[in-house]
Amino acid sequence: NAGVTQTPKFRVLKTGQSMTLLCAQDMNHEYMYWYRQDPGMGLRLIHYSVGEGTTAKGEVPDGYNVSRLKKQNFLLGLESAAPSQTSVYFCASSYSMQSEQFFGPGTRLTVL
Amino acid sequence: AQSVTQPDIHITVSEGASLELRCNYSYGATPYLFWYVQSPGQGLQLLLKYFSGDTLVQGIKGFEAEFKRSQSSFNLRKPSVHWSDAAEYFCAVGPFSGGYNKLIFGAGTRLAVHP
Repeated sequence: NAGVTQTPKFRVLKTGQSMTLLCAQDMNHEYMYWYRQDPGMGLRLIHYSVGEGTTAKGEVPDGYNVSRLKKQNFLLGLESAAPSQTSVYFCASSYSMQSEQFFGPGTRLTVL
Repeated sequence: AQSVTQPDIHITVSEGASLELRCNYSYGATPYLFWYVQSPGQGLQLLLKYFSGDTLVQGIKGFEAEFKRSQSSFNLRKPSVHWSDAAEYFCAVGPFSGGYNKLIFGAGTRLAVHP
């Protein structure tokens, strides 16, 4: 039981490049989330999903897209990376609206 | 608007000393309240949560937190800190209306432990 895993762990991009971050969970959770963590700002919700085939915007969705084609996977895409997207990205999942969110180990992204 | 404030950015304590990390929230009703811990280079781990009932909540690793409605606070405490408790601690509040499990996180408190 791996919990929540994220791929890759580190990535360096040049401005304008694109990439996809993969999140996978093996707990059969309906809810999945993408957060970014920046110094002094805690975690901010980018996008989330309440089930397979559904996605919705969080607090800071601009510049990101997501897809949830399979229940266990939640992909975060950057179509044209900008230096402002340099951050640590965390994926999380939960069973229900009120239950604990389980977090992945994070992806450290640097955009030059 | 909903918000979470952790007034202390950094705290340093000696090993064996007691600890209290502060968390204040702004919300119209009683929210669900959480404390998470993040060790260096790791993801977040849930320490404890409050949904309803007894306002003193016990968590893992010897931590506890007390919900005080009159003060809109949910402070985290530990009677005797261990060196392995050095980490960053996040208070979170949620979920909110809209039918989804959205958490609002505080900015975090970084704890250093002196031997």
